[in-house]
Amino acid sequence: AQKVTQAQTEISVVEKEDVTLDCVYETRDTTYYLFWYKQPPSGELVFLIRRNSFDEQNEISGRYSWNFQKSTSSFNFTITASQVVDSAVYFCALSSLYSGGGADGLTFGKGTHLIIQP
Amino acid sequence: EAQVTQNPRYLITVTGKKLTVTCSQNMNHEYMSWYRQDPGLGLRQIYYSMNVEVTDKGDVPEGYKVSRKEKRNFPLILESPSPNQTSLYFCASSPEGGRWEKLFFGSGTQLSVL
Repeated sequence: AQKVTQAQTEISVVEKEDVTLDCVYETRDTTYYLFWYKQPPSGELVFLIRRNSFDEQNEISGRYSWNFQKSTSSFNFTITASQVVDSAVYFCALSSLYSGGGADGLTFGKGTHLIIQP
Repeated sequence: EAQVTQNPRYLITVTGKKLTVTCSQNMNHEYMSWYRQDPGLGLRQIYYSMNVEVTDKGDVPEGYKVSRKEKRNFPLILESPSPNQTSLYFCASSPEGGRWEKLFFGSGTQLSVL
């Protein structure tokens, strides 16, 4: 079965520090998608990025950047010059054809709680 | 405004009392799904629906029912709630392609079963 591991349960940094959230995935498929979602303290879930398995280019969006490395099965998320508003739980997710069981192939990690202290 | 609407936002009930959490989307999305979020366990899928009248089990379907009679609505039914179903529930939808597309989530329903 496929799997998404976010080993960092909680990270706390001081504002303006750079921080990287790790995401390691397992899948037997060669075609798959990876996602990051943000859940701020208000509770809603917000889409951040989607990347397909054939596109290993890194992505940068303002202070956010994502590093996709198939060789290490990782899709890490970096926030540069963190701000208090970045405090949230961040979820990494994997979607592939093979999932095992009865699910539709979309698997979420357990999330990383990021705390940005002023 | 494009959105997924869940109701109620908060719900406290007692064991065994049937309840329904409604979910509606106005984006004409084919795919809809339900998740529960529990501390330390992340998001786990309960049921999903690829289209009208097509539903299938997710990873944790026990104790839940769903129906998809119309494209826009995907209610979650707990016939006989138990305390272990106390959780934060999210409905989500996406365009045709389901799991390949980004998900649009509702605001969540915090359910407490006493």
